This record gives sequence, structure tokens and C-alpha cells, in this order.
Amino acid sequence: DQQVKQNSPSLSVQEGRISILNCDYTNSMFDYFLWYKKYPAEGPTFLISISSIKDKNEDGRFTVFLNKSAKHLSLHIVPSQPGDSAVYFCAASGGEGAQKLVFGQGTRLTINP
Amino acid sequence: DVKVTQSSRYLVKRTGEKVFLECVQDMDHENMFWYRQDPGLGLRLIYFSYDVKMKEKGDIPEGYSVSREKKERFSLILESASTNQTSMYLCASRPYSGAGNTIYFGEGSWLTVV
Repeated sequence: DQQVKQNSPSLSVQEGRISILNCDYTNSMFDYFLWYKKYPAEGPTFLISISSIKDKNEDGRFTVFLNKSAKHLSLHIVPSQPGDSAVYFCAASGGEGAQKLVFGQGTRLTINP
Repeated sequence: DVKVTQSSRYLVKRTGEKVFLECVQDMDHENMFWYRQDPGLGLRLIYFSYDVKMKEKGDIPEGYSVSREKKERFSLILESASTNQTSMYLCASRPYSGAGNTIYFGEGSWLTVV
């Protein structure tokens, strides 16, 4: 039962353009959402988060949008840079088992020069 | 800065061996986690611990056990390693009342079972 889904295993974007990574969830009790970035052979690092009381959170080049009715969130990176090439994981928590974070499968983002 | 340290980065073990993966955090965090990462499956929770001597099964606990005798240390134990446990293992920690539910990961331990 995959409660958090990232349906695109990979995404390729040209440098300077916008990267949009998508994530869907099924558990309506989730109330906090996070994005993590992971380089090969390293642990994931926290990127940005959003609470369910908001629909947008921005931090520099990174913006996360939350659509609760559609149970969908997205991460926008503008402008995309070569250093953004990594695997991005969406994660969610809330409701029963709120101590846990449930992760999606990840999306590999490649920024082309 | 939060520091989560996994003692072994790369291990090669034989089928049937008992394997210990050690994790230490230096921020007095109550919660600690063990995940494994596999291609196409994302990060899956094996076990987590609310506090010292407390543990709870995650989504894939079979074949694993854990130990939390001290607050800063959380060990993952493979009682009898099998080839399907070849994976990247990630330890993480979080303060009980931290900002949101952000968790902090270690660098990961690559385990190969042959």
C-alpha cells in the first residue's frame, strides 16, 4: 500500500528552466509534507516542507505547492542549476503513526547544460 | 549542526552472518529511525524508536531487530543476513518536539550480502 507516490522515476530539464516534481498521497490524515534531496552515496538532506494549513511555501529557488483536495503536492525549482541534479523524495506524516515519515519512490532529476 | 553518524559506510557479509549496523546522533534527539533505500522503492521504514529502550516496527521489520540502550545510539541487527538484504541502510534522528517533523539522516551504509 503505497501511501505516497512519485509517478515519474526520472525527469530531465535544461539548465535555467523550471523543474517541476510531483507527488501524490492517499492518506487524508497526512498534515505535514517534506521534500528531501539525495546525491549518490550520501544520506538525504532536508530541502523544504509545508504544513497542511498552507498551500504554498517558498525558500529561494524552491517552492512547494499543496493541493489538499487533490491530495497532490509539487516542488518547483526555478531556475534549475546543474547542482540540482539528484534524486528527490517526497515525504508525509500525520494521523495515526504521526511520528513516522512515509516516503515516495523518488524522482531522479537531471539538469542538462 | 545535527550530526548522525553511521559507523560503517561499506560492508560485505556472507549469507547467514549476523550483522550490526551502528548509528550515533549527537543532538540528544528522542526519535531515531532505520530506513533502507532500494531503486524504485524509495525509503522504507524498518524500525523506529521513540526513546531509550522503546522500539516500534516499521513497514518491513522482517529479518531485522534493533537495540536502543542509550539515547544517542540506535543499532540495526540482521540476525542472519540474506542476499535480499543487500541495500543502502539509512539511520535518522529527530527531536521529539522539533520543527515540524523534519528528520536528519546519516550518510548511509552500503551492505552487500554474498
